[in-house]
Amino acid sequence: DGGITQSPKYLFRKEGQNVTLSCEQNLNHDAMYWYRQDPGQGLRLIYYSQIVNDFQKGDIAEGYSVSREKKESFPLTVTSAQKNPTAFYLCASSFLPGQRFYEQYFGPGTRLTVT
Amino acid sequence: GIQVEQSPPDLILQEGANSTLRCNFSDSVNNLQWFHQNPWGQLINLFYIPSGTKQNGRLSATTVATERYSLLYISSSQTTDSGVYFCAVEGLSGNTGKLIFGQGTTLQVKP
Repeated sequence: DGGITQSPKYLFRKEGQNVTLSCEQNLNHDAMYWYRQDPGQGLRLIYYSQIVNDFQKGDIAEGYSVSREKKESFPLTVTSAQKNPTAFYLCASSFLPGQRFYEQYFGPGTRLTVT
Repeated sequence: GIQVEQSPPDLILQEGANSTLRCNFSDSVNNLQWFHQNPWGQLINLFYIPSGTKQNGRLSATTVATERYSLLYISSSQTTDSGVYFCAVEGLSGNTGKLIFGQGTTLQVKP
């Protein structure tokens, strides 16, 4: 089946630890995105990438890092510098902006709790 | 940057009722999508509709780009329609795919 997978579904970490969230897609999409959702809120963009080995900061990139070594994969690291890391993290992918039908599709998300 | 406002913030319906959700945006857009977030958090794509009208079963959507709003219609609502509905847009000036989300409309359909 084509789609976007994220793992793990739930993640618990102690404060001060870095943690990496996985995102993989087999839709042959060039662009991938990471969003954060806080309770009762919409989504906010953390990072995005339109091509392998290149990525751009979104609105709330501080305390996060990403890599894009393969077209299919876009892992997100939540570092200890992120002040409020507890949130729901969603990964998305799409064809490149400007192409027809470049709607974004989302993975099932990872709920991160840091105590 | 572009602002996205959704209304109403909350909506309670009896099963079988119809509803209209609204999304206003402050600038011209390249992309507009409607999503349904189910109770498990999954975002389900409903419509990709930067302009025009589309229908999919009991759901339909209309975007009037010149007046900067979009409407999502739900007819004969079912309990499975419950959840949060998001509108998200990409401004015309950007070519990044970056979506700006509204705050959502929380829909509860009672049996």
